[in-house]
Amino acid sequence: SQQGEEDPQALSIQEGENATMNCSYKTSINNLQWYRQNSGRGLVHLILIRSNEREKHSGRLRVTLDTSKKSSSLLITASRAADTASYFCATKGAYSGAGSYQLTFGKGTKLSVIP
Amino acid sequence: GAVVSQHPSRVICKSGTSVKIECRSLDFQATTMFWYRQFPKKSLMLMATSNEGSKATYEQGVEKDKFLINHASLTLSTLTVTSAHPEDSSFYICSASSPRPNSPLHFGNGTRLTVT
Repeated sequence: SQQGEEDPQALSIQEGENATMNCSYKTSINNLQWYRQNSGRGLVHLILIRSNEREKHSGRLRVTLDTSKKSSSLLITASRAADTASYFCATKGAYSGAGSYQLTFGKGTKLSVIP
Repeated sequence: GAVVSQHPSRVICKSGTSVKIECRSLDFQATTMFWYRQFPKKSLMLMATSNEGSKATYEQGVEKDKFLINHASLTLSTLTVTSAHPEDSSFYICSASSPRPNSPLHFGNGTRLTVT
């Protein structure tokens, strides 16, 4: 079953605006990660937030995590046309083995930033 | 940063032939690599976990005889799509984890397979 579910499925904004994407998951997690995928390419890791963290920043990115609601949000501030891509959340289960790095991906949010 | 190289980026083959896709970790040793399949506008579907020196672990519904995985060294895993059919046409992506705790996955750029 799908662990992460992103919302919205697609988002179109003007350059300079902020973009917010949400992710919900179903089971207990060790950490949650956000990845970006340009069309026809592999994924690039953006940010990782651990289950005991509530908020994390990296440049123009801000990620929040609410484990009580099993949800996370990714905020991209002052968006640029180059931010146009699909964004996926991925979770590592709380009970996965120490050597396990299997992630479960959501369906992604397709972000379009209009110049 | 860590780099994973996936090759080829695109391949077109005829039905019934086999195609091999390589995934290499260029600057770290990856004991575990993952193979995914991605359909258009969909998420990544984990196909199998490739473990160096042992048999791959396949996800439910993935035919191990159809999708052969070999992880012969700490820097190379291969996925061979055997007797390919048009329904195997898809985007295949590999990823590798570095040994550092809580490090993210590093992804290859994917392989677009088209079976005619």
